[in-house]
Amino acid sequence: GAVVSQHPSWVICKSGTSVKIECRSLDFQATTMFWYRQFPKQSLMLMATSNEGSKATYEQGVEKDKFLINHASLTLSTLTVTSAHPEDSSFYICSAKGLLDGTDTQYFGPGTRLTVL
Amino acid sequence: ILNVEQSPQSLHVQEGDSTNFTCSFPSSNFYALHWYRWETAKSPEALFVMTLNGDEKKKGRISATLNTKEGYSYLYIKGSQPEDSATYLCAPKLSGNTPLVFGKGTRLSVIA
Repeated sequence: GAVVSQHPSWVICKSGTSVKIECRSLDFQATTMFWYRQFPKQSLMLMATSNEGSKATYEQGVEKDKFLINHASLTLSTLTVTSAHPEDSSFYICSAKGLLDGTDTQYFGPGTRLTVL
Repeated sequence: ILNVEQSPQSLHVQEGDSTNFTCSFPSSNFYALHWYRWETAKSPEALFVMTLNGDEKKKGRISATLNTKEGYSYLYIKGSQPEDSATYLCAPKLSGNTPLVFGKGTRLSVIA
């Protein structure tokens, strides 16, 4: 149980294009989903938190107009990197939290490697 | 900003050896501590959620302890196996409404 998928697992795009990453909770309803970014040799850094049907809450320094997050259902959240540039190249990973086991556990997807040329 | 330190950054052990590593965090305003295991090309896997000072949790050969007064948690692996090779992440949480803050992880390699 508590499986989260993420698609695509990797993507290469040209500078200026937009990229959409999907995060799905496969066997539970995710009341809250989280998007993280990890640069090489750094820790997972939270970008934003989204609750189903609400606007996402972005962490300080994360541009909400650049990283569009949609959490339209209890099993799907999407992150769109708009007008991507080489500095947006990173590892993006989502996690989901639901009313599963009474704990605060977040269940993670496998991540998406984005390379912007 | 919550400062989370994990040490060592990496270590190599022989199969069968026991090992441990540390997660340090500010001891004030503690709510919970999460441990994850992250194997290459897979999703991070939740290991433990610890909330009380003195907590000790166990999952097979892996166990963890928590000291909230001094701000640290130890993760122990008994009789390491090659399949234990992974990055182990800790993430404290200051309150029920604040997000997890991850350390950089300890990368464990178990050599057969």
